[in-house]
Amino acid sequence: GIQVEQSPPDLILQEGANSTLRCNFSDSVNNLQWFHQNPWGQLINLFYIPSGTKQNGRLSATTVATERYSLLYISSSQTTDSGVYFCASRGNDMRFGAGTRLTVKP
Amino acid sequence: EAGVAQSPRYKIIEKRQSVAFWCNPISGHATLYWYQQILGQGPKLLIQFQNNGVVDDSQLPKDRFSAERLKGVDSTLKIQPAKLEDSAVYLCASSFRRVSRLAGGPYEQYFGPGTRLTVT
Repeated sequence: GIQVEQSPPDLILQEGANSTLRCNFSDSVNNLQWFHQNPWGQLINLFYIPSGTKQNGRLSATTVATERYSLLYISSSQTTDSGVYFCASRGNDMRFGAGTRLTVKP
Repeated sequence: EAGVAQSPRYKIIEKRQSVAFWCNPISGHATLYWYQQILGQGPKLLIQFQNNGVVDDSQLPKDRFSAERLKGVDSTLKIQPAKLEDSAVYLCASSFRRVSRLAGGPYEQYFGPGTRLTVT
């Protein structure tokens, strides 16, 4: 099945800083989503982005399907952004990356 | 609209016992997924239903895990007998398969709060 790699595995930021999270996938995909898993374990949809760029407030995402990667940008980070960020893609089956654990310090 | 509902939220059992989890997807969502998330890892797909038919169960340990989706709505996931390594959060998700790719996507998934299982 498709392989999904996320980087970095861990990220510590001061409040107000910007960050970029990356997701690489090993094969062509027809579906790419970004999720935020909050400290209570709830997975929250951020973006459905098989290609192109989308923005939602301080967050934006870009997927370059031809080069098999996606980026999630977080600007002006807040402590509530802390948690684990997952990308998931679908080739023949649905695969999640191992996640990026983000800690935003006040 | 109401989100994906799961119950129970927490369950503690001894090894070799049986356990069942319940999921009610978002109304109108034809596709339902069960995932297993072990601490520190990303979710792993166990089984995917399209209406009440199984689309993908390649990663379901069928010797001990079973799942059904009667009438294409609610679903139950069962483990019998449980092992220590089954300790995990079991997540249910649903998606609405659209013919058109406008507005959202055919596979955009929405997750329930999960059931945290501890096997002792």
